Amino acid sequence: GAVVSQHPSWVICKSGTSVKIECRSLDFQATTMFWYRQFPKQSLMLMATSNEGSKATYEQGVEKDKFLINHASLTLSTLTVTSAHPEDSSFYICSARVGRPISESNQPQHFGDGTRLSIL
Amino acid sequence: QQPVQSPQAVILREGEDAVINCSSSKALYSVHWYRQKHGEAPVFLMILLKGGEQKGHEKISASFNEKKQQSSLYLTASQLSYSGTYFCGTVGLGAGTYKYIFGTGTRLKVLA
Repeated sequence: GAVVSQHPSWVICKSGTSVKIECRSLDFQATTMFWYRQFPKQSLMLMATSNEGSKATYEQGVEKDKFLINHASLTLSTLTVTSAHPEDSSFYICSARVGRPISESNQPQHFGDGTRLSIL
Repeated sequence: QQPVQSPQAVILREGEDAVINCSSSKALYSVHWYRQKHGEAPVFLMILLKGGEQKGHEKISASFNEKKQQSSLYLTASQLSYSGTYFCGTVGLGAGTYKYIFGTGTRLKVLA
C-alpha cells in the first residue's frame, strides 16, 4: 500500500519550454503533498507544500511564478516548471503522506520515483 | 534550518558497523530515517517519536534524544545492500502543517 506514482521519469527539452510533472497517490488520499528538488550528491530541498484545494506554500527562495503547483484532487498534485532554463535542470521528487494533519508528524513520507529534468 | 549529519561519507567492509548522526538546531517532533540509492527515490527506514526512543529494524537501529535534538542510526554487520545515502528527516510545524526538512546526508559505501 501507499504507492506514489510520479510521471514522467525523465524529460529532456529545449530552453524556454514549460514542463509539467504529475504526482499521484494510487491507493490512498493525500491532503498534503510535497515537492523536493535534489542536485547531484546533495540532500533533498523542500520547494513547496501542496495542499488540496488551496494554494501551495512555497519555501523561501522558491519562485512561485516559476514553479506552479496545483493540487486539484486528493490524489493528484502537479508541478509545472515554466519557461525552463538549463539552471532548472535537476531531480524533482514528490512525496505524500497518509493521515490527517493531527497525526502527520507520525507518518512516513511515501515518495514518487522522481523526475530527472534536463534543459538543453 | 537543515539538520547536520555526520560523517559526510563513510566506507565500510562487509560485516563492519557504522553510526550516522543527525543534529538539529530546532526542537524536533520526530525523526525519520531514509536511504536513497543513486538515481532512485528515498526509501523509508523508520520513525522515532519520543525522546530517548530506540528502534530496531533487522540490523539497523536508531535512537532519538529529544533534549539534545539529536538522532543516531546504527548499522551493524553491514551488507552490500546497505550502500547508499542516508538522510534523517526532521519534522517541524510550519504554515499550518507539518513539513519535513531533510538532513545534509551521509554517503555510505560497503565493500565486499
